[in-house]
Amino acid sequence: NAGVTQTPKFRVLKTGQSMTLLCAQDMNHEYMYWYRQDPGMGLRLIHYSVGEGTTAKGEVPDGYNVSRLKKQNFLLGLESAAPSQTSVYFCASKRGAAINQETQYFGPGTRLLVL
Amino acid sequence: AQSVAQPEDQVNVAEGNPLTVKCTYSVSGNPYLFWYVQYPNRGLQFLLKYITGDNLVKGSYGFEAEFNKSQTSFHLKKPSALVSDSALYFCAVRDKGDDKIIFGKGTRLHILP
Repeated sequence: NAGVTQTPKFRVLKTGQSMTLLCAQDMNHEYMYWYRQDPGMGLRLIHYSVGEGTTAKGEVPDGYNVSRLKKQNFLLGLESAAPSQTSVYFCASKRGAAINQETQYFGPGTRLLVL
Repeated sequence: AQSVAQPEDQVNVAEGNPLTVKCTYSVSGNPYLFWYVQYPNRGLQFLLKYITGDNLVKGSYGFEAEFNKSQTSFHLKKPSALVSDSALYFCAVRDKGDDKIIFGKGTRLHILP
């Protein structure tokens, strides 16, 4: 199993450009999450999904959109990139909501630089 | 809304000494608590969790954590630190009635040889 994979690994954007980050998991997990990691801020939750076709806002959703059309994929979109969105983005998944399914599995991260 | 505080940005410990990384939390209901570790240029890895039951939970690599409801704390501990324990450690919380998992700002642990 590949686990959680993220595409691309690194990207440079100009202000105003758009892009989509792809997260894929092959563990048949129901829950998926997008976080951003910034120095001194830790991990902050952007959006999450509790199943195929569902999405919900996290702590810092502004400027981002997400879609979960297929269970294995969770897409994070930036419609008009801003320098404040320069960050490292992590995707995570977990099997479900039961107490023995609480462990999150993280991808390797996508480093995004917005100029 | 739930929140997590890690009061120390960095903790330095000599190899072989015991280590503690502090975490306090705030939830309106019952907490599910987690510790994750991040090595340079990697994603986060699960260490341990408290869901219910015994307040002392044991996890990977010899780490353990104690859930203290009265102090709303979940400190990470290890009896004898290794240089290889040097990494960034994150505490996280989920309120039982909420699907969001919220992370703290992280504590950088330096084990000095």
